[in-house]
Amino acid sequence: DTAVSQTPKYLVTQMGNDKSIKCEQNLGHDTMYWYKQDSKKFLKIMFSYNNKELIINETVPNRFSPKSPDKAHLNLHINSLELGDSAVYFCASSQGWLSYEQYFGPGTRLTVT
Amino acid sequence: QQQVKQSPQSLIVQKGGISIINCAYENTAFDYFPWYQQFPGKGPALLIAIRPDVSEKKEGRFTISFNKSAKQFSLHIMDSQPGDSATYFCAASSEGNQFYFGTGTSLTVIP
Repeated sequence: DTAVSQTPKYLVTQMGNDKSIKCEQNLGHDTMYWYKQDSKKFLKIMFSYNNKELIINETVPNRFSPKSPDKAHLNLHINSLELGDSAVYFCASSQGWLSYEQYFGPGTRLTVT
Repeated sequence: QQQVKQSPQSLIVQKGGISIINCAYENTAFDYFPWYQQFPGKGPALLIAIRPDVSEKKEGRFTISFNKSAKQFSLHIMDSQPGDSATYFCAASSEGNQFYFGTGTSLTVIP
């Protein structure tokens, strides 16, 4: 069973489009995260949700909006996609807000043309 | 500002050799220092982690050395194997909330 899953794995779209990436975890964790990994493989946190409540909201354009319908899901919606949004987006989860171990999903490679 | 600085960017080691990756930090509030291993097309996976109250932690062929006074920590991979070829990230966290990652080290182990 996949602990943290993301769909789609690859996403190719044109500038200006709106797209969503879905994340689900079956670990029973309370906290979920979105990370962005750029072309140089630098990994940076974007958002964190704990029990469906937004905890961390790093300096991310307003075009990015996370949504957590329940503790097991954290989706990422991106409006008006730009070339610079091309990256690999990782979802992760941890048992609780102050839990140190994070489990990452397989990533979604977003390419904006 | 890069919270955690990692070096080298890439590393080539012969099979059976020792791979050493170094990280440095400034924030003395950090209290958890994990290392993640990432294979191509996969998400990072927790490899080993250390708290600042110990100077070394070993799990199999992987060892973290921690120098609190120097604010540095390193990953040592003993008897490196081709299957260890991956990108390694160090990270640091304060109280388990926000994690700051290093820039990654691409390790290639030559058979």
